[in-house]
Amino acid sequence: AQTVTQSQPEMSVQEAETVTLSCTYDTSESDYYLFWYKQPPSRQMILVIRQEAYKQQNATENRFSVNFQKAAKSFSLKISDSQLGDAAMYFCAYRSAITALIFGKGTTLSVSS
Amino acid sequence: DSGVTQTPKHLITATGQRVTLRCSPRSGDLSVYWYQQSLDQGLQFLIQYYNGEERAKGNILERFSAQQFPDLHSELNLSSLELGDSALYFCASSGNRGHTIYFGEGSWLTVV
Repeated sequence: AQTVTQSQPEMSVQEAETVTLSCTYDTSESDYYLFWYKQPPSRQMILVIRQEAYKQQNATENRFSVNFQKAAKSFSLKISDSQLGDAAMYFCAYRSAITALIFGKGTTLSVSS
Repeated sequence: DSGVTQTPKHLITATGQRVTLRCSPRSGDLSVYWYQQSLDQGLQFLIQYYNGEERAKGNILERFSAQQFPDLHSELNLSSLELGDSALYFCASSGNRGHTIYFGEGSWLTVV
């Protein structure tokens, strides 16, 4: 069965600095999709970024980028120029054509000024 | 705004009761998913519907059931409620060709 592991329950960063959140996954499938979702205190689930496994190029969305290492089954999220509004719980998630979204346990990111 | 609408936003009910949560997917999305988020269990996939048919089932209790109607809205029915059913229930949807799943704002259920 597919699993998603986020080994960092909590992370902290200062405003304007860069932080990287880690995620590893386990699957025997070759075609799948990976996502990072942000959940602020409002508890809304907000899509941050997505990566298709067949694409070698790492996805980027403004200050958010990923480091996708398919062979290592690693999918980390880098947040550059951190802002107070980035403080939230971040979830790594996996899905394929035959599975719904499978989530990791989440990483709580705090941002200090 | 993701385009996925859930009602009610908050619900308080007593143990043993039954509630219905409602979801309208994004316009044109055929797939609807239900997830449960509790403090100790994280985000758990419950069930998926595609164009009115059940597509996949996750950790959904027998006391829970769902359906998707011809207009594509979905309802999650929770019965014989227990204190442990208190959680945030998310509905999400995705399109026919899209693999990205968009979430509603959730329905907070408190069982007292």
